[in-house]
Amino acid sequence: SAVISQKPSRDICQRGTSLTIQCQVDSQVTMMFWYRQQPGQSLTLIATANQGSEATYESGFVIDKFPISRPNLTFSTLTVSNMSPEDSSIYLCSVTRGGGYTFGSGTRLTVV
Amino acid sequence: QQQVKQSPQSLIVQKGGISIINCAYENTAFDYFPWYQQFPGKGPALLIAIRPDVSEKKEGRFTISFNKSAKQFSLHIMDSQPGDSATYFCAASISSGGYQKVTFGTGTKLQVIP
Repeated sequence: SAVISQKPSRDICQRGTSLTIQCQVDSQVTMMFWYRQQPGQSLTLIATANQGSEATYESGFVIDKFPISRPNLTFSTLTVSNMSPEDSSIYLCSVTRGGGYTFGSGTRLTVV
Repeated sequence: QQQVKQSPQSLIVQKGGISIINCAYENTAFDYFPWYQQFPGKGPALLIAIRPDVSEKKEGRFTISFNKSAKQFSLHIMDSQPGDSATYFCAASISSGGYQKVTFGTGTKLQVIP
């Protein structure tokens, strides 16, 4: 399965600022996925990122708040913009092969 | 219709016991049912998965039982060990646009006590 490197692993940010999370995969993949996991909760898909096209956002998530870049087949970034304490969560990138998903270790974000 | 309901929310099992986590789904178009294991500070990791044409799949101490008519599936962990303490997510997915679009259950926090 793919190996995913995600950084930063954690950060504490001031409200109103932005944080960019990076996700690097050790092999080329068509689709990359960004998830949010609030403490003790399940995983919620934010958006799907294809290389060379605009990301597709799920209901409740918008590009202005969570802009995504996908410059090549092994890399993607998610920015959490104009942060508020409600954005405190774990953000995970993921890829899929053969049905199963491989996840990065996540970015634990705390907004103060 | 896309929901996957998972129970219990938390589970405490004695070392050596059997841990059982149950999931139910509504959408009969789901065609892949994986289970994920997540340790604190880590992303979920694929543990075991089953397709609906099979009623049971076993990998080591982990077994998925699948009941297609009842639209239910469960994870059994035999001889549970303290190292199995983690959060477990069931999931169901459907082929869509060239990939498996997945819906996750709400998670079960398992604690195995010595």
